[in-house]
Amino acid sequence: DVKVTQSSRYLVKRTGEKVFLECVQDMDHENMFWYRQDPGLGLRLIYFSYDVKMKEKGDIPEGYSVSREKKERFSLILESASTNQTSMYLCASNAPAGIANEQFFGPGTRLTVL
Amino acid sequence: AQSVTQLDSQVPVFEEAPVELRCNYSSSVSVYLFWYVQYPNQGLQLLLKYLSGSTLVESINGFEAEFNKSQTSFHLRKPSVHISDTAEYFCAVKETSGSRLTFGEGTQLTVNP
Repeated sequence: DVKVTQSSRYLVKRTGEKVFLECVQDMDHENMFWYRQDPGLGLRLIYFSYDVKMKEKGDIPEGYSVSREKKERFSLILESASTNQTSMYLCASNAPAGIANEQFFGPGTRLTVL
Repeated sequence: AQSVTQLDSQVPVFEEAPVELRCNYSSSVSVYLFWYVQYPNQGLQLLLKYLSGSTLVESINGFEAEFNKSQTSFHLRKPSVHISDTAEYFCAVKETSGSRLTFGEGTQLTVNP
């Protein structure tokens, strides 16, 4: 079974803190994604990566950065957390573009910024 | 660019009733279509997908969806729902040559006894 794990299920941080969300997948997938999920807005893509050290901005990258030093690990970084970044964050992975395979999702991290 | 609209944010139904969750998409290129389900406090799981061929696709737990190219729709149906089907359902679209999924806003299905 494909497994995508996220470092925390729940996280509470203060405004201005630097926040790291970690995601690890065990299926040797090239592509990895970070989404945020908000009620009524569905999932919105923050960043994705199609290879080690490669990244592309998604639809809402402002206030976020990412790091992919190893194929299995994709980190989302909030340089200076703000209250409007309180949300559910979901990581996903899949095999390369052009293949109609599904994205596999982690359980999510619910981040609260006070 | 593609977009997805889920026409109902909440759908309450009684157990054993039929249900339809509506999804419309727009795209200027060929797409693949997906339905994902999210049970409470969990990540998303693939429910079913349309890639090509038969326009009617089915899941193992009794859901089905029909791809209608002329109406650009991919509605999800189940003839008789169970309490355990209570979840949020997301429709998604992907260009056939791309990696990115575009999701709809989600539909909360609540099945009442």
